[in-house]
Amino acid sequence: GDSVTQMEGPVTLSEEAFLTINCTYTATGYPSLFWYVQYPGEGLQLLLKATKADDKGSNKGFEATYRKETTSFHLEKGSVQVSDSAVYFCALSDGTGNQFYFGTGTSLTVIP
Amino acid sequence: DAGVIQSPRHEVTEMGQEVTLRCKPISGHNSLFWYRQTMMRGLELLIYFNNNVPIDDSGMPEDRFSAKMPNASFSTLKIQPSEPRDSAVYFCASSFTDRPSFRFFGPGTRLTVL
Repeated sequence: GDSVTQMEGPVTLSEEAFLTINCTYTATGYPSLFWYVQYPGEGLQLLLKATKADDKGSNKGFEATYRKETTSFHLEKGSVQVSDSAVYFCALSDGTGNQFYFGTGTSLTVIP
Repeated sequence: DAGVIQSPRHEVTEMGQEVTLRCKPISGHNSLFWYRQTMMRGLELLIYFNNNVPIDDSGMPEDRFSAKMPNASFSTLKIQPSEPRDSAVYFCASSFTDRPSFRFFGPGTRLTVL
């Protein structure tokens, strides 16, 4: 079945460092891919999305490109801030949108 | 724009007690999802509704769990009797039925069963 695998954390970075959180997927059809962010004590918020191959989602300085050839959707940010400290979830939705799969989450801590 | 509203935000109860979690979806959204989040199992979809009708409850762990959606603006998730292993954060999310991928999550209810 469809699934998402993301790198395990926790990840600790210094402010202004480069961030990559890896995410790969397995899907039989044409999924949409998402990154959600969960700040401490809050619910999940949609960070960015891509609905077809080669699409790039971007928001708040974060980017991820839907790579069908490598079945990946890695999250990147060129310069992280302390306020980016959160848990990041990669997610996949099947072609119908009815099936939605979350990764296990990657905790990011950015230190000043 | 109130977003998805959940109550209570925190609940502490004793084993065997009944627990009721509440959710108000975003106005106009006609799909509603209940999730459970634990360290061991991550995010699990428990049940979802379209237009107040339960569509898939295969994620509901046991008969002790039940969910209702009596109208478009309110849903409950009930656990009776509660057990310590039910301790988790329970999230409600909503979306438009024709855009189920774009789900908006509530802040969650942190349940602790002693």
